[in-house]
Amino acid sequence: GIQVEQSPPDLILQEGANSTLRCNFSDSVNNLQWFHQNPWGQLINLFYIPSGTKQNGRLSATTVATERYSLLYISSSQTTDSGVYFCAVTSNDYKLSFGAGTTVTVRA
Amino acid sequence: SQTIHQWPATLVQPVGSPLSLECTVEGTSNPNLYWYRQAAGRGLQLLFYSVGIGQISSEVPQNLSASRPQDRQFILSSKKLLLSDSGFYLCAWDQQGVKTFFGQGTRLTVV
Repeated sequence: GIQVEQSPPDLILQEGANSTLRCNFSDSVNNLQWFHQNPWGQLINLFYIPSGTKQNGRLSATTVATERYSLLYISSSQTTDSGVYFCAVTSNDYKLSFGAGTTVTVRA
Repeated sequence: SQTIHQWPATLVQPVGSPLSLECTVEGTSNPNLYWYRQAAGRGLQLLFYSVGIGQISSEVPQNLSASRPQDRQFILSSKKLLLSDSGFYLCAWDQQGVKTFFGQGTRLTVV
């Protein structure tokens, strides 16, 4: 199956800092999504982005499908951005394959 | 708008007892439905998915089973729980494999 690697595994930020999370995948994909899991376990869909660039407030994402990677940018981080960020992809079917996640801690 | 309901939020069950977790989706029809499990501090593992009533695909052999008795209802079951079944179980849905939405999850502890 398709392999998904996320980096870095952990990230500690000071409030107000910017950061970039990376997702590499091993095969061509027809679906790529970014999720944020809050400390209570709720998974929130941030972006559906199989290619191109999208922005939502302080978050933006870029997927370069031909080079098999995606980036999630967090600008002016806030303590509420803390949690685990997951990248997930599908290749030939509907089944999402998840990366191991990046744990982000934003300190006040 | 579409919503997904999953219950219960937490559950403590003895080893060998049965399990039934329920998930329902509102505001859409013929969704793809999924059950995931997340062990502590780890990523998500797909357990079952369904593209229609009565159509269940299993990803990982184990003592869990899933059923889809109605279009927007997905049930995860076990006849006899094991300690290794402890974890965080998440139901999810999407339409045609596009944007996926998750329920709030059930934290299961088998004692």
